[in-house]
Amino acid sequence: NAGVTQTPKFQVLKTGQSMTLQCAQDMNHNSMYWYRQDPGMGLRLIYYSASEGTTDKGEVPNGYNVSRLNKREFSLRLESAAPSQTSVYFCASSAGGYGSTEAFFGQGTRLTVV
Amino acid sequence: DAKTTQPNSMESNEEEPVHLPCNHSTISGTDYIHWYRQLPSQGPEYVIHGLTSNVNNRMASLAIAEDRKSSTLILHRATLRDAAVYYCILRLTGNQFYFGTGTSLTVIP
Repeated sequence: NAGVTQTPKFQVLKTGQSMTLQCAQDMNHNSMYWYRQDPGMGLRLIYYSASEGTTDKGEVPNGYNVSRLNKREFSLRLESAAPSQTSVYFCASSAGGYGSTEAFFGQGTRLTVV
Repeated sequence: DAKTTQPNSMESNEEEPVHLPCNHSTISGTDYIHWYRQLPSQGPEYVIHGLTSNVNNRMASLAIAEDRKSSTLILHRATLRDAAVYYCILRLTGNQFYFGTGTSLTVIP
């Protein structure tokens, strides 16, 4: 009963390095999301994928790219990490649809950029 | 985008009911009202959602105003495990949903 799995759980990067955050869900959900949460703040939507093969920008997409690899997996890539991208990143999934379905979240990836 | 307004923090005594308010005056007719909570160092977890009618589940109740411009999450008997940040969210059409800053609930033993 894994739900939404994120890897890695922790990561330290140097400014300018690149990395990919992985997310997988086993609930056959159509929609997947990436959020970031800065200290003392709520979550902000980076990108989302309403269904396999589609991706759209959220509130704060600059500096990120995403790939919906298949229905299960949705990855977030930082091409050139900056200290401003230090944050906790959460992946989520939902069955999608009209807005009546709940979302399930992973445990987060804590990223520090030095 | 439709937004929600919540108090930054609230306190409750253990085993007493808690009413967490949320204003969403710009809600449209197709927006669902969702509540999530986030325990320390964890991802958010679903609590409850509704469209127009009041809703009950094993975790909480959701009371929605007749004009849908506000709602209240009701925890019937607060426990120490209910201490968390509670987010009121409008689930928009198009599958997007946006978090505000939420209400930090402190439960006093």
